[in-house]
Parts: sequence; C-alpha cells; structure tokens
Amino acid sequence: EPEVTQTPSHQVTQMGQEVILRCVPISNHLYFYWYRQILGQKVEFLVSFYNNEISEKSEIFDDQFSVERPDGSNFTLKIRSTKLEDSAMYFCASVPTVDRGNSPLHFGNGTRLTVT
Amino acid sequence: ILNVEQSPQSLHVQEGDSTNFTCSFPSSNFYALHWYRWETAKSPEALFVMTLNGDEKKKGRISATLNTKEGYSYLYIKGSQPEDSATYLCAFTINNDMRFGAGTRLTVKP
Repeated sequence: EPEVTQTPSHQVTQMGQEVILRCVPISNHLYFYWYRQILGQKVEFLVSFYNNEISEKSEIFDDQFSVERPDGSNFTLKIRSTKLEDSAMYFCASVPTVDRGNSPLHFGNGTRLTVT
Repeated sequence: ILNVEQSPQSLHVQEGDSTNFTCSFPSSNFYALHWYRWETAKSPEALFVMTLNGDEKKKGRISATLNTKEGYSYLYIKGSQPEDSATYLCAFTINNDMRFGAGTRLTVKP
C-alpha cells in the first residue's frame, strides 16, 4: 500500500537556523497537510496545500513558515529561523479527494525537530 | 472555537477487558468525525470516518458510534489485547478544518 514518507526522522538544529522538513505524499493525492505535536500537547494543524498553493493555514503558521511543492512529488515545510518552541513532531499528511472532511488523513511517520 | 475533548486522558486495562472512551465536539455545523489509532514511533492510522447521526462502524473488535445532535462519539474495544495499546485520537471536521482532541492513551496489560 502506498505510504507518505518523511525525512529526516529526527532533526536537531540550533536556534535561529533554517530547517527544511521533507515529505513525499501518496502520488495521486490532492490535498497535503502539515501538522505538529509539541510533546504532551494536542496535534495542531499548521497548513493545507492544494493545486500548488496554500489552502488554509493556522495562526501558528506565521511568516517564519513556508511550504513548497517544488517538483510535483516532494512537499516541504521550511522554518526560516527556528525557535526553541518549534521543537515538536511534525507530521505530513495527504488525502486523495477534494472532499477532504470526509476522507481519512494518510500520515507520514513524522520528523522530530529538536531546537537547541 | 473548535474544541474537541477526549476522555479519559489515559486508561489501563487488563487483557480481555472491554473498554470505551469518549470524544466530545461542538454539535453545530457538524461535517465529519474521525478516529485514529496512534502507536508509539508510528504514524496515526485512520480507523473510522463518521458523518451521519446514529452511525455505527466496526473494524474487528473496535467499534464506534456517533451522536451529532449532542456532540459525542464513543469508541469501544471488545476483549482488549496488548497490541491495542496506543493513543486513540478523534478529530472533528468543520468546513474542511480538522481539529484533533488530545487523545486517550490506552495501555493493555497482559
């Protein structure tokens, strides 16, 4: 069964550095998402992406964050200048249809970002 | 404000026990309710997507019910096994915006 893959599985970076988290969604899926979970807290929505542009974003997704689908397969989340509070597990997810609410999310295994 | 509440926060049961937990969500403008199973070091895996009031879905020993009028869903596990140990997340969808609860962490002791 096709899977969403994320790399790296763990990223350690220093505060102020830029990081890029990479995801390869399932190939025929249409909507792509980034979620994150800070340790001990709820899974939080960051951004959704459709047709090569951001569809929705949360208040967390400020100017420090950006997403790209540079080559039709990779879907990346960039954090320009990381802060300690960006330390979290970041999940990429995708759905195959435009009826997103009715479709289960297919999640990757996550990237654990640690900002020191 | 979309607030999804799950209870209990954690649950310890013995192998063979049946158990259930609750997801509460705003009842207005309901669109869909999702349940996910999340094992440590793995990705969340979809269990059910429920849309109709009174819906009941089943997958093996796991089942779920939905009451959209009062804003709750129950997840039941019959005859829990150690491999059922995981965090069970529910997520509520309104206008394609999906919000997750904090999850119920289930531990099944052999």
